Amino acid sequence: AQSVAQPEDQVNVAEGNPLTVKCTYSVSGNPYLFWYVQYPNRGLQFLLKYITGDNLVKGSYGFEAEFNKSQTSFHLKKPSALVSDSALYFCAVRDNGGYQKVTFGTGTKLQVIP
Amino acid sequence: ETGVTQSPTHLIKTRGQQVTLRCSSQSGHNTVSWYQQALGQGPQFIFQYYREEENGRGNFPPRFSGLQFPNYSSELNVNALELDDSALYLCASSFDRGGSPLHFGNGTRLTVT
Repeated sequence: AQSVAQPEDQVNVAEGNPLTVKCTYSVSGNPYLFWYVQYPNRGLQFLLKYITGDNLVKGSYGFEAEFNKSQTSFHLKKPSALVSDSALYFCAVRDNGGYQKVTFGTGTKLQVIP
Repeated sequence: ETGVTQSPTHLIKTRGQQVTLRCSSQSGHNTVSWYQQALGQGPQFIFQYYREEENGRGNFPPRFSGLQFPNYSSELNVNALELDDSALYLCASSFDRGGSPLHFGNGTRLTVT
């Protein structure tokens, strides 16, 4: 069975500071990893993904994520946070075989303080 | 490019009733998945349809069922509604290729009283 853990319910960061939202995963086989963002009363929006290749992947709105196989982690990062980044962030995983069941974490609320 | 659209946006039903939620996939996508998102939780996988057939299911009882139509639109049907079915129901479409991200609609907020 595949699973995702987001250990922080909420992350607070000052505007302009770097941010990190943590994610660890468990999956049999090689993982496909994703980050999504959700604004209030909206669906999830895709930010970035790791399939294979470079461990550092870049995505939308200046976000990036680092894949670490030995630590089974896929932390989301941004060098300089904006107030508009405040939202709910979900890490997700699926294995690279079979159908596309994607398992999501419980989410981390990011609050960027002006 | 037309995104994923869901209808209705909000719905209130009584326990024991039946409900049908609808989804129109993003143009060109051939796979549709449905997720249930309870308040304060991450989305939970209900099932996935590919070429009009269910090809994967999460831990949801048979009273949750679905359809995918030739134009890749989809329905989620829930029978014998329970209070715990109150949630945001999300439809997501994608390509069937590995690693293809999900494209979500804005969801249907179902309240069961």
